[in-house]
Amino acid sequence: DVKVTQSSRYLVKRTGEKVFLECVQDMDHENMFWYRQDPGLGLRLIYFSYDVKMKEKGDIPEGYSVSREKKERFSLILESASTNQTSMYLCASSTTGAREYGYTFGSGTRLTVV
Amino acid sequence: AQKITQTQPGMFVQEKEAVTLDCTYDTSDPSYGLFWYKQPSSGEMIFLIYQGSYDQQNATEGRYSLNFQKARKSANLVISASQLGDSAMYFCAMREGQVNTGFQKLVFGTGTRLLVSP
Repeated sequence: DVKVTQSSRYLVKRTGEKVFLECVQDMDHENMFWYRQDPGLGLRLIYFSYDVKMKEKGDIPEGYSVSREKKERFSLILESASTNQTSMYLCASSTTGAREYGYTFGSGTRLTVV
Repeated sequence: AQKITQTQPGMFVQEKEAVTLDCTYDTSDPSYGLFWYKQPSSGEMIFLIYQGSYDQQNATEGRYSLNFQKARKSANLVISASQLGDSAMYFCAMREGQVNTGFQKLVFGTGTRLLVSP
C-alpha cells in the first residue's frame, strides 16, 4: 500500500524552538507539499517541491522553510516557533502526469506551540 | 479572492437520505481538475471523486457523484443513501496547472462538516 508517513502525530514545542516536521513517501513521487489546516480556513499551502533540492512558496510561507535533499523526504522547518503556528500540518505527494489519483496525504502532525 | 468556495460550514442529514455539498470555483485556466476529499475525525484525507475540466460526463464513484456545471463553475458533491460513517469534514479542491508539469498544486475550500443522524 502506498504511503506518506509523517514522523509525529502529536508534537508540543516551546516558543522560540526550532521545529522539524518530517515527511517520507515510498511512491517515488516527484512532487511533495506541506499544508496547514486550521478550523474555518481549510487547508492552506505552505511550500511545495517538484524535484530534489527544488522548492516553491505556497500561499503562507512566512515563518517556515523546507528542505528536500532526497526525493522521498520533504521536511518543514519552523525556524523559531510561535504560538500562531499551532496547527495541524499535512504532507502530501503526487506524481507528475497523474489525474485523479495522484495526491496522497499523510495522517497529519498536530503541533502545539506553548 | 477565494478560488474554492464552500458556503455550508455544517450540514445535517438523516441516515439513508441523499445530501448535496456545495462547491464553486474560480479559475481562468481552461485545464483544471476538481477533487472531493473526506476527512474523518482521525485526520487522514480520503480521496472520494475527481472531475476533469474536459470530462464530458459527471463523475460517479459508488454512492458519490459530482454534479459538474462548468458554466456556473460549480462542482457539488452528492452523497446518496447517507450512512453514519459518512459523518466527517468534506473538502472541495481544485488542481491548478497542467497535468504534465511539476507545477500543479491543490487549492482547498474551507470545508463542510457533515453530520449523519440515525
